[in-house]
Amino acid sequence: GENVEQHPSTLSVQEGDSAVIKCTYSDSASNYFPWYKQELGKRPQLIIDIRSNVGEKKDQRIAVTLNKTAKHFSLHITETQPEDSAVYFCAAGRNTGFQKLVFGTGTRLLVSP
Amino acid sequence: DADVTQTPRNRITKTGKRIMLECSQTKGHDRMYWYRQDPGLGLRLIYYSFDVKDINKGEISDGYSVSRQAQAKFSLSLESAIPNQTALYFCATSDAAGGGQGGDEQFFGPGTRLTVL
Repeated sequence: GENVEQHPSTLSVQEGDSAVIKCTYSDSASNYFPWYKQELGKRPQLIIDIRSNVGEKKDQRIAVTLNKTAKHFSLHITETQPEDSAVYFCAAGRNTGFQKLVFGTGTRLLVSP
Repeated sequence: DADVTQTPRNRITKTGKRIMLECSQTKGHDRMYWYRQDPGLGLRLIYYSFDVKDINKGEISDGYSVSRQAQAKFSLSLESAIPNQTALYFCATSDAAGGGQGGDEQFFGPGTRLTVL
């Protein structure tokens, strides 16, 4: 089955710096890679996703890159703000047929003013 | 707004008790999921259901059972609770559209914090 590894487990940055979170996956059949943000005490919410026919996707200050050959994908947050502080989860799955996702273990991002 | 709700939000129980966690959704989605979240372990899938007649085990189904009473309702039961089932439990839903046509996003409920003493 699919296995997703996520690094680092914690990341502290200064406001305005960039943050990068990396994930690797094991199942070459996975073709859907979402990222979820979970603020303290809240539910996880999708912030961006990428499919395997695309190498990069951007949405304002966040971007995700995918390297299918190496089986890794990354979340990039530029110009970080205190409200970006949260736990971020990557996930991998197949978006055809079954939509079962395997999640990474999470990265706690702390953005200091 | 269409939403996913969970009851109860918090529960403290004792070892050996039977517990049911309930999930309801007004999103009209066919697919429903139960996850547990533990510190440092992320979100792990317990059971998932793609329609009322379909139930599937996830990564960590031992000690749990589920019931899909209707399209909008999916319940998780702990037949005999044990302390290592102390965790935050999330229900989630997604549309059946999938396949790259949208509908892949999973929408999570607010979570149920369960403590087993």
